[in-house]
Amino acid sequence: KAGVTQTPRYLIKTRGQQVTLSCSPISGHRSVSWYQQTPGQGLQFLFEYFSETQRNKGNFPGRFSGRQFSNSRSEMNVSTLELGDSALYLCASNRQGRAGELFFGEGSRLTVL
Amino acid sequence: QQQVKQSPQSLIVQKGGISIINCAYENTAFDYFPWYQQFPGKGPALLIAIRPDVSEKKEGRFTISFNKSAKQFSLHIMDSQPGDSATYFCAASKTRDDKIIFGKGTRLHILP
Repeated sequence: KAGVTQTPRYLIKTRGQQVTLSCSPISGHRSVSWYQQTPGQGLQFLFEYFSETQRNKGNFPGRFSGRQFSNSRSEMNVSTLELGDSALYLCASNRQGRAGELFFGEGSRLTVL
Repeated sequence: QQQVKQSPQSLIVQKGGISIINCAYENTAFDYFPWYQQFPGKGPALLIAIRPDVSEKKEGRFTISFNKSAKQFSLHIMDSQPGDSATYFCAASKTRDDKIIFGKGTRLHILP
């Protein structure tokens, strides 16, 4: 069974640009969550999607957005990038009712210059 | 009420020693307590988990101790090895709400 796949793995952007990150969940998993990880800040929850609907949202500005497609694949977008957006962005998927059993991808490492 | 407090922030243990990481929660509605292990450059992976109806769960060298009355749980790594060096996250989830809350993580370094 293939794991959670995130693309791209690494990217470099400049301030003011926008970025789109992609996540393909494990087959059969309809819930997809996104996390931002920076050194010393742990896992900061961005949002969670289930059946194409955003079900939960963390405390991030509106520059951070996401969506989920009918095949459960998800994308997140960050507009007007700031230096502080440099981070590892992690996607996780889980079966319905199994929020504690997340399967994470290897992440997309974003560097903003 | 939704927080999970994890300590210590970092931990250094000699090879062969016992590593202990502690977590505390407030919301008694949490009904599943997993631990995740993350190696550098990788995403976190589920390591071991416990439900509040048991006080201890052991898988190999990894043990979760759970104290329901104190609302605390801990991860013990016996005979710690350099390969255990990683960041560990405790978490708490509510099956009914399909939500999970993570602790801030502990960076564990095992000295060879």
